[in-house]
Amino acid sequence: GENVEQHPSTLSVQEGDSAVIKCTYSDSASNYFPWYKQELGKGPQLIIDIRSNVGEKKDQRIAVTLNKTAKHFSLHITETQPEDSAVYFCAARSPSRGATNKLIFGTGTLLAVQP
Amino acid sequence: GAVVSQHPSRVICKSGTSVKIECRSLDFQATTMFWYRQFPKKSLMLMATSNEGSKATYEQGVEKDKFLINHASLTLSTLTVTSAHPEDSSFYICSARTMERGYEQYFGPGTRLTVT
Repeated sequence: GENVEQHPSTLSVQEGDSAVIKCTYSDSASNYFPWYKQELGKGPQLIIDIRSNVGEKKDQRIAVTLNKTAKHFSLHITETQPEDSAVYFCAARSPSRGATNKLIFGTGTLLAVQP
Repeated sequence: GAVVSQHPSRVICKSGTSVKIECRSLDFQATTMFWYRQFPKKSLMLMATSNEGSKATYEQGVEKDKFLINHASLTLSTLTVTSAHPEDSSFYICSARTMERGYEQYFGPGTRLTVT
């Protein structure tokens, strides 16, 4: 089955610097790759996603890149702010028959933005 | 993004009792809902997937008689933890998606269950 690896597990950056989190997936049929931000004690929040028909997507300070050949995708946060501090999860989903295809999550990255 | 609510946000119950957690999609009709469990500093563990009007599909190792899931309508799913024990204490999170939103998956705020 699908497996998603995420690195690094922890990341500390200075405010204003950029942060990059990388994920690799195993199922070449995967076609949907969302990123979630989870603050302490809260549910995950969808912050950006990308589908396999594009290589890059950007939303203000957040961007995601996808390399289908290498089967990896990355989250880029520029001009980081203290409120970006949270756990970030990547996920991948493969198409399947019926409506039971599910997201496979990475292990998470704890991002700490130091003021 | 879409809004998914959960109730209650926190619950404390005694060992042996049952607890029901509600999950609602507020601004869209969710054809599929998911229930996750999350341990401290860990990733999300899928417990079951439910489609409206159908029986839930449980992941391997999840006891369906212990974690009862009902997806009664396109906006409501419930998770009932039956005969709860301290090891069931955890953070439970529901999630919902719909074809109308490209199968994007949105999460609720989570429910912290403590069994004493």
